[in-house]
Amino acid sequence: QVQLQESGPGLVKPSETLSLICAVSGYSINSGYYWGWIRQPPGKGLEWIGTIYHNGNTYYNPSLKSRVTLSVDTSKNHFSLKLNSVTAADTAVYYCARDHYGAYPFDYWGQGTLVTVSS
Amino acid sequence: QSVLTQPPSVSAAPGQKVTISCSGSSSNIEYNYVSWYQHLPGTAPKLLIYENNKRPSGIPDRFSASKSGTSATLGITGLQTGDEADYYCGTWDSSLSAKVFGTGTKVNVL
Repeated sequence: QVQLQESGPGLVKPSETLSLICAVSGYSINSGYYWGWIRQPPGKGLEWIGTIYHNGNTYYNPSLKSRVTLSVDTSKNHFSLKLNSVTAADTAVYYCARDHYGAYPFDYWGQGTLVTVSS
Repeated sequence: QSVLTQPPSVSAAPGQKVTISCSGSSSNIEYNYVSWYQHLPGTAPKLLIYENNKRPSGIPDRFSASKSGTSATLGITGLQTGDEADYYCGTWDSSLSAKVFGTGTKVNVL
């Protein structure tokens, strides 16, 4: 069974960088598939942030592209999200998920982690 | 703001049926596969439907979906209290070059 678990600071100061890790178990990232990040601001819907392939190729939501960096560490079987210059609008529950990319779905999701941007 | 529009909520009694619409455009739903997700707050979203109308293993056939033109529909029959959740449609938007989700629909079991 594929399982994903997000981890990282729950509180980030405005203008700083939000950093999260998604640990994958039950599947080797090196075996393939894409791996994505999605967020949900309080009281709002889901927003795709970006997706990374196991070889490191990245695909970003154009609305966030200038501030997002995704990376993958196959030796640790995890992938990471960095979002810089955060503001209160970046406060959200952040989810990681296995992605089939494009019009194909996210089939396994993590439980999500709340990140609050506040001084 | 999402490019896919869903009704904010739908309601029905246990055992009844509900349908949830997802309205998009020619740059997203019309020429791309649609997925549907069930999300109970505080839990991981669950994939219910992919490629417009296919169910992953373990998803009961009470959940069904269809697509026509620029709209898609999720149906839930034999409604159960455990079905109370938020439901989202999702697809690819070719104009935005982005995966997009619907605005979400809260299903209430009366």
